[in-house]
Amino acid sequence: GESVGLHLPTLSVQEGDNSIINCAYSNSASDYFIWYKQESGKGPQFIIDIRSNMDKRQGQRVTVLLNKTVKHLSLQIAATQPGDSAVYFCAEAPMNTGFQKLVFGTGTRLLVSP
Amino acid sequence: GAGVSQTPSNKVTEKGKYVELRCDPISGHTALYWYRQSLGQGPEFLIYFQGTGAADDSGLPNDRFFAVRPEGSVSTLKIQRTERGDSAVYLCASSLTLNNEQFFGPGTRLTVL
Repeated sequence: GESVGLHLPTLSVQEGDNSIINCAYSNSASDYFIWYKQESGKGPQFIIDIRSNMDKRQGQRVTVLLNKTVKHLSLQIAATQPGDSAVYFCAEAPMNTGFQKLVFGTGTRLLVSP
Repeated sequence: GAGVSQTPSNKVTEKGKYVELRCDPISGHTALYWYRQSLGQGPEFLIYFQGTGAADDSGLPNDRFFAVRPEGSVSTLKIQRTERGDSAVYLCASSLTLNNEQFFGPGTRLTVL
């Protein structure tokens, strides 16, 4: 996996804070959205997904919000931990191409300080 | 069980050479995907297989790139006449069937000198 993105947007938070990572998508035909976490030297790891017929979905410590009007997606991480430090990507897929061809954003690096 | 594995983890080659990158998907997964990730970017779709056939190869950048999956399990991504711009991490993913969660391997870092 990718190790360092020198020009990635970076979000720095303290351990225990809540984190919000944002993503703007471009294709209004996208029906399916996923958030991935990528640690240094590893491939992307699925966190949570949401279909376009929903505007909010919750998982364990994570919440994804979808605003189709402004084509915006956000990932909220509650009580952020040092182990959450990674690069986070949103990915989108239009239903008319199937969910196989994921289109990834450029990513946001999350740095969590103890 | 074991996740997606990719070999080699790193490959350094010279411009103009031929390389093969291997992906072993999770056992029983029928769908397999290849992505390319350049430094500081998100993965870009290259090709995916359902079983042995390439269902969509629209992401392959040019005819120097080719991928096979002859027995519906292991896949090989082949790059001919490598160029410096091919340097990237090549990621493989598999899913149980189409439209299921994609599980990614650790990638092969290709460096073309």
